[in-house]
Amino acid sequence: DIQMTQSPHSLSASLGETVSIECLASEGISNYLAWYQQKPGKSPQLLIYYASSLQDGVPSRFSGSGSGTQYSLKISNMQPEDEGVYYCQQGYKYPPTFGGGTKLELK
Amino acid sequence: QVQLQQSGAELAKPGSSVKISCKASGYTFTSYYISWIKQTTGQGLEYIGYINTGSGGTNYNEKFKGKATLTVDKSSSTAFMQLSSLTPDDSAVYYCARDEDNYFDYWGQGVMVTVSS
Repeated sequence: DIQMTQSPHSLSASLGETVSIECLASEGISNYLAWYQQKPGKSPQLLIYYASSLQDGVPSRFSGSGSGTQYSLKISNMQPEDEGVYYCQQGYKYPPTFGGGTKLELK
Repeated sequence: QVQLQQSGAELAKPGSSVKISCKASGYTFTSYYISWIKQTTGQGLEYIGYINTGSGGTNYNEKFKGKATLTVDKSSSTAFMQLSSLTPDDSAVYYCARDEDNYFDYWGQGVMVTVSS
């Protein structure tokens, strides 16, 4: 299975700050990379798919980039509602696999 | 609007089975596969498998073969997952999700399964 490694494990950001979360795949995944946000007690919500496509209804301060084995999620202008755990997921090879998550808190 | 409504929490004894449901609404049920995902604090998110909601065909993650059985009832737009021979390691939150082939665009609210004697 493809291993997905996220960094950092956790981070805190101030209101209005820009943060980045990294995701490294154990092999090339041809941009078949999705990002999800999960809030406590809730199910994951899709933010980004195909590495950089924004899901309908997701604020434009979220953006994704990357290629090959390295991908990143950028959150510009940090807002209180952006607190949560973020996961990456590869959909290139079966079975889909997820990163371990990055916990984002408001400083 | 697309919704996936899952059944309620389950408390089961070791060695028993549970069957959880996922009722879809707001879209053509047979146009999308349904996938199932397990979430634990220790192992994070793990992919279980998917069901072709039109044909009933299934594909399981090797790790969950023999543990999970996926079925579907097209008449009620509902997908099911049965977990058998339960052990404490099966205690988790289980999600169904609409499968867009490479990612999951809508998720159910999750079902907490607790296995305890």
